[in-house]
Parts: sequence; C-alpha cells; structure tokens
Amino acid sequence: TQLLEQSPQFLSIQEGENLTVYCNSSSVFSSLQWYRQEPGEGPVLLVTVVTGGEVKKLKRLTFQFGDARKDSSLHITAAQPGDTGLYLCAGVVAGSYQLTFGKGTKLSVIP
Amino acid sequence: GAGVSQSPSNKVTEKGKDVELRCDPISGHTALYWYRQSLGQGLEFLIYFQGNSAPDKSGLPSDRFSAERTGGSVSTLTIQRTQQEDSAVYLCASSLVSALVGTQYFGPGTRLLVL
Repeated sequence: TQLLEQSPQFLSIQEGENLTVYCNSSSVFSSLQWYRQEPGEGPVLLVTVVTGGEVKKLKRLTFQFGDARKDSSLHITAAQPGDTGLYLCAGVVAGSYQLTFGKGTKLSVIP
Repeated sequence: GAGVSQSPSNKVTEKGKDVELRCDPISGHTALYWYRQSLGQGLEFLIYFQGNSAPDKSGLPSDRFSAERTGGSVSTLTIQRTQQEDSAVYLCASSLVSALVGTQYFGPGTRLLVL
C-alpha cells in the first residue's frame, strides 16, 4: 500500500485553466513537501509545510496542509506551459526521518 | 555553485553483472540519500547516510544492494548480480542536516537498464 496517495495521476489541461492536485494519507506527517521534476532531472523542492492548516503561496501556486497534517493540496491558477512536469508530494512521518514520496502527478499544459 | 552530481548518467548492463553508481553531494552536506524511481512507482527510499554511517538501510531491496560513503562526501551504490527488475533511475540527494530540518537537493540521476 502507498503511504501517500496522489491524485490525479495524469492531468492534461489548456493554458489558462486552473487545477488542483491532491496528496492524501492516513498517517500524520511532521512536514510535507512538494517537488517538481522535469524529464532527465532530479526533483526540485517547491515548498515545505509544517503546521496544520498552513497555506503557502508561490506566485500562481498555492499549497495547503490539512488541519490534521494527513493531507495536502497544490492549486495552480492560470496554468502556463512552463508548469508542465511531474509534481511529487513527500512527507516525513511523525517520529521518523525518512522522506516518503507519492507516485506523482504528471501535468501537461497545452498552449 | 556545484550541485549534486551523479555518474554515470546512463548505464546499460547485462543481467548478472555488477554495477557501481556514484554520487558527489554538495560540499559540506552531512546527509546523503539514495532513492530509486521506477516507472509508475514514484521515488522509493533506499538508504540514508549521516556522515559516513548509515543509520537507516531499511529501504535496500535485497542483499544484492549495498552502499558506502567515504570521507563524509562521495557515496557509491553497488548492485551485484543485476536483475531486469533493477532497471530504474537511481537518484541521490544531499542535505545540510537531516531530512527533518534540511532541504534535500537531488542529482540528475543514473538511468540503469539491465538487459
């Protein structure tokens, strides 16, 4: 069983549309991170959230950590072709130091 | 500035052969991690080093996999008697301190294909 479930797995949208990616678990996380990975490269950290209910904004990207620290969402406003990539959520389970990744959401933004 | 580098970038090998994958972390980063990324499987944790010691080897899939780190810097992941299911991208990451507080910086990965 996957500790972190991401949905959707694949998303293809038109430029200018909004989208939300979800990351869910039954476990509590001390922190949760979102990464973006482009083909042939390693993941690059976008944001870390640590407090339940926390909302962080990075330009057109809005990240939210659930109140119970078991889930998170990434919302992109007015998607651009440059947003295309694999989005990964990853969390540190409370009490451990191991970073656990979801399977990722592959986003394609069509011009 | 120099990021995490990995070599080789691509490796094709025959089933049963041994392979060595190398990771050069960012200078001064004490923590180093190896992950495996298979198609449709996400990133799978393999091993974590703090300095030269590995407090967590729980992710290594079998005894064919081993890793070492020397001088608190370079790390080598060795896969003995490779199998076709070992084909994947092997990613290395480093952080200034442990995963609890430090951002992990990833290398570009080594793409391993076992024929």
